[in-house]
Amino acid sequence: DAGITQSPRHKVTETGTPVTLRCHQTENHRYMYWYRQDPGHGLRLIHYSYGVKDTDKGEVSDGYSVSRSKTEDFLLTLESATSSQTSVYFCAISESRDKNSPLHFGNGTRLTVT
Amino acid sequence: SQKIEQNSEALNIQEGKTATLTCNYTNYSPAYLQWYRQDPGRGPVFLLLIRENEKEKRKERLKVTFDTTLKQSLFHITASQPADSATYLCGAGRDTGRRALTFGSGTRLQVQP
Repeated sequence: DAGITQSPRHKVTETGTPVTLRCHQTENHRYMYWYRQDPGHGLRLIHYSYGVKDTDKGEVSDGYSVSRSKTEDFLLTLESATSSQTSVYFCAISESRDKNSPLHFGNGTRLTVT
Repeated sequence: SQKIEQNSEALNIQEGKTATLTCNYTNYSPAYLQWYRQDPGRGPVFLLLIRENEKEKRKERLKVTFDTTLKQSLFHITASQPADSATYLCGAGRDTGRRALTFGSGTRLQVQP
């Protein structure tokens, strides 16, 4: 596996509470991504980063923010969690400037919002 | 809006047979497609990339095709084994615009011994 660690692996939280998920990589890759995976929807892009402090929105970014203060860490924050944000969250990284370079995924964080 | 569609029904085949999985796209002209394998509780793992100017790509027992006329990619696993049982995801991307793949919802493959 590429050196990607997601933490926590599982989390249960209550509606309205803030939640931060962490993605840590040891590959020194420039590009990092947050996806969520839901039954019937597949993987959907939340936010991605193309460098330290450089981020952009994906297709389902509402209710989420991200930060990347170091190459190795990409944080996903749910400012006020809602039940619709119950999902499995995957972090991915890619190395090359080429847009078709493969993604390497972490093993996910299962988040339940009650 | 652009859509990537994969058969949501599981595909069940006998060991030794060829598995064929389909990825269709609409309202979209991807420059490339990528196929991933995902096991339960794990993240997807990259398998193959094919670009729009390539008709076919092979890697060991895997073959992928890209038909821009039919707007479809086929993913084949020959001489399938029970260890090939997993969910297979198709992702599409373009060389311009947002840097990220758009994924289908995946097809679960079950290979029976």
